[in-house]
Amino acid sequence: AQTVTQSQPEMSVQEAETVTLSCTYDTSENNYYLFWYKQPPSRQMILVIRQEAYKQQNATENRFSVNFQKAAKSFSLKISDSQLGDTAMYFCAFGLQGAQKLVFGQGTRLTINP
Amino acid sequence: ETGVTQTPRHLVMGMTNKKSLKCEQHLGHNAMYWYKQSAKKPLELMFVYNFKEQTENNSVPSRFSPECPNSSHLFLHLHTLQPEDSALYLCASSYLGQGGEQFFGPGTRLTVL
Repeated sequence: AQTVTQSQPEMSVQEAETVTLSCTYDTSENNYYLFWYKQPPSRQMILVIRQEAYKQQNATENRFSVNFQKAAKSFSLKISDSQLGDTAMYFCAFGLQGAQKLVFGQGTRLTINP
Repeated sequence: ETGVTQTPRHLVMGMTNKKSLKCEQHLGHNAMYWYKQSAKKPLELMFVYNFKEQTENNSVPSRFSPECPNSSHLFLHLHTLQPEDSALYLCASSYLGQGGEQFFGPGTRLTVL
């Protein structure tokens, strides 16, 4: 069975700083997807970024980028020039190609301070 | 309405009440999901529906009864719940074969007294 671990329950940085959230996962499969979801306080969970395991290039979405290390089974999220609106719970998730289930980590509560 | 909607957004019920949560997706997806989100715990997948057919039930107690009349609507019927069932219940949808990405609704905050 696949597992996802987020080792940082909470993080706090100052506005405009760069912050990296860590995620590791365990699988014996080769074809899968990895996701970072953001859940702002009392708001909807939205997809931040997605990575296909077969792609070596790290995914990037504006200020959000990932460091995908397949051999190490690591998938960290870097937020550059952090903004107050980045304050949220961040969940790392794993999904096998062709399967429906997503396995979520326990989340990291990120606070951006003014 | 766009995306995934859920009603009600907040619900308080007694242990002997019967209530239902509703989810609707406007994305043309063919799979829908119920999750339970409790404080300090990972998201717990409860049920999965593909094309209206239930394909997964993660050992959910029978006091939770899902219903999926079509690919756009999903219900969660609740009866004789326990206080430990208080949580945020999230609905999600996806398109089968599209790489696993799920789209979430805003959730229903359920409190069982």
